[in-house]
Amino acid sequence: SYVLTQPPSVSVAPGETARITCGGDNIGDERVHWYEQKSGQAPVLVIYDNSDRPSGIPERFSGSSSGNTATLTISRGEAGDEADYYCQVWDRTSDHWVFGGGTKLTVL
Amino acid sequence: QVQLVESGGGVVQPGRSLRLSCAASEFTFTSYTMNWVRQAPGKGLEWVALLSSGGTTEYYADSVKGRFTISRDNSKKTLYLQMNSLSVEDTALYYCVRHRDGGSFDHWGRGTQVTVSS
Repeated sequence: SYVLTQPPSVSVAPGETARITCGGDNIGDERVHWYEQKSGQAPVLVIYDNSDRPSGIPERFSGSSSGNTATLTISRGEAGDEADYYCQVWDRTSDHWVFGGGTKLTVL
Repeated sequence: QVQLVESGGGVVQPGRSLRLSCAASEFTFTSYTMNWVRQAPGKGLEWVALLSSGGTTEYYADSVKGRFTISRDNSKKTLYLQMNSLSVEDTALYYCVRHRDGGSFDHWGRGTQVTVSS
């Protein structure tokens, strides 16, 4: 089955740029989606189809994907960005949705 | 705005069954594929099952296949998850999730807690 690998944690200083990676075999060929989950809340879609933002998501959030790595980039990090972030793809060989293990973002 | 409200969770003994429901409103339920996603305490997200808009296509995670059944009643705008042969590993918060065209999950309910314990 398809495996998505994320770093368990990423730290960023306020105002700086955070980059959260998601590794997968030829993930650049897939549509990658990203979710933000704040403590005690349901996940929220922040990036779909690698780089598109749903309405209401700030432009500070962006996404890219190439080769074996997809990246969620959060510019000008704020305290309110502290959350767990998950990547997701559709595994066509097994007809399963797959999530990465999640990355805890800390804004120091 | 889109609303998804789960219900039916609770505490159940291993080996028993439980049925979850998800009431949908403020969107055309019949047009959307729906999913269940769960999250064990302190753990990440785990996709559980998918059901197409017309109810003809369903997929399951390996961990629940053969034990769980996803279904829907489009006349009632309700999604279900029948869970049989529950084990302690099924303890989790279960989310009902809408699947937008082209993929990705654009709306999530608040979840219903399922605890399997003797």
